[in-house]
Amino acid sequence: QKEVEQNSGPLSVPEGAIASLNCTYSDRGSQSFFWYRQYSGKSPELIMFIYSNGDKEDGRFTAQLNKASQYVSLLIRDSQPSDSATYLCAVNIPNTGNQFYFGTGTSLTVIP
Amino acid sequence: EAQVTQNPRYLITVTGKKLTVTCSQNMNHEYMSWYRQDPGLGLRQIYYSMNVEVTDKGDVPEGYKVSRKEKRNFPLILESPSPNQTSLYFCASSLLYGELFFGEGSRLTVL
Repeated sequence: QKEVEQNSGPLSVPEGAIASLNCTYSDRGSQSFFWYRQYSGKSPELIMFIYSNGDKEDGRFTAQLNKASQYVSLLIRDSQPSDSATYLCAVNIPNTGNQFYFGTGTSLTVIP
Repeated sequence: EAQVTQNPRYLITVTGKKLTVTCSQNMNHEYMSWYRQDPGLGLRQIYYSMNVEVTDKGDVPEGYKVSRKEKRNFPLILESPSPNQTSLYFCASSLLYGELFFGEGSRLTVL
């Protein structure tokens, strides 16, 4: 089993604060890492992807990857009520045939 | 517009009545996959396909069939649906090793 673990939450932060979402994975063959946002009843949409160790920033979002610790995180700065959703962490493992493995998601609520 | 299209979006059926959920993508992606999503269980992969005529089982393939006769289409077939297949289903596609693009989802209820 290629495990991807996330804290299910719920995580609540006040509007304007930083939300920190964490994910760990078990397979060291994992090469690509993705964060998806999913509103209730809707399909997942890509927020960020990261391939290399370190930080990657895109607007209010920063993805952080530490392959040695098998850890990937997503920071959301200046959180807005519209950020309230479930965030899914996914990893891609090429030697399993391009398989994607998902965590169960962290529910985030941004309180106005 | 680049997209993954699933149909039907909503379906209520009865136990044992065969049904097919269609999935089509217009991005020329090699990889296509089906997931089901249930509360507390996250996204679980049913079947996937690396290319035409190449399919393989995911984590929860029992009760499902797929085919990949054309690159753009990847239908999901429930030969004899049962109530435990009531779920929200997503089709997704990607270039190999790229990001997954998801369809809008198909909510299936089996009575």
